[in-house]
Amino acid sequence: GQNIDQPTEMTATEGAIVQINCTYQTSGFNGLFWYQQHAGEAPTFLSYNVLDGLEEKGRFSSFLSRSKGYSYLLLKELQMKDSASYLCAVSDSGGYQKVTFGTGTKLQVIP
Amino acid sequence: DARVTQTPRHKVTEMGQEVTMRCQPILGHNTVFWYRQTMMQGLELLAYFRNRAPLDDSGMPKDRFSAEMPDATLATLKIQPSEPRDSAVYFCASGLALTGTDNEQFFGPGTRLTVL
Repeated sequence: GQNIDQPTEMTATEGAIVQINCTYQTSGFNGLFWYQQHAGEAPTFLSYNVLDGLEEKGRFSSFLSRSKGYSYLLLKELQMKDSASYLCAVSDSGGYQKVTFGTGTKLQVIP
Repeated sequence: DARVTQTPRHKVTEMGQEVTMRCQPILGHNTVFWYRQTMMQGLELLAYFRNRAPLDDSGMPKDRFSAEMPDATLATLKIQPSEPRDSAVYFCASGLALTGTDNEQFFGPGTRLTVL
């Protein structure tokens, strides 16, 4: 099974940078996802890391360290629309796409 | 614009009634997932299918829940009988699984179920 831990809530200021951490303990590992979920909406895909290191995509970057069971999502130049929950999810081994989600970090961006 | 669709979007029912939720995955996707989301538990995987065959339904209470894929364009999740603790948002997601790799899942808008 998978155990995923991330902070429940965070607050950050518009224009700033915020880092959302995720730690996991797994029986199998085939990659780590980050999804964004606005209130009342469905999750949408942000990033996928399978190798150690940093993946950059515009204002969002995601980092993975498999040896430490650790990932973070970095959001730069925060905008009010970034207020949402950010879900860390770990994929089981074998490429079957069985994914276990963390409970999410609710980010509030303030002016 | 390919997207996952779910019906109904909202459902209010009384305890003991049968509830059926439907999902149409994105055309060409070979994997379909059912999730349940509550404030307390977050997003929980209930079941998932590959090429219409059930791969894992260990997250689903077997006595009252059932999931099927009658054809490639329709997945159903049924609760019979429903209970107040089943109140949640139920998401369907689809994706394209390739050997040894993982890809993003595309989520439908969800069905918000309230059991009174």
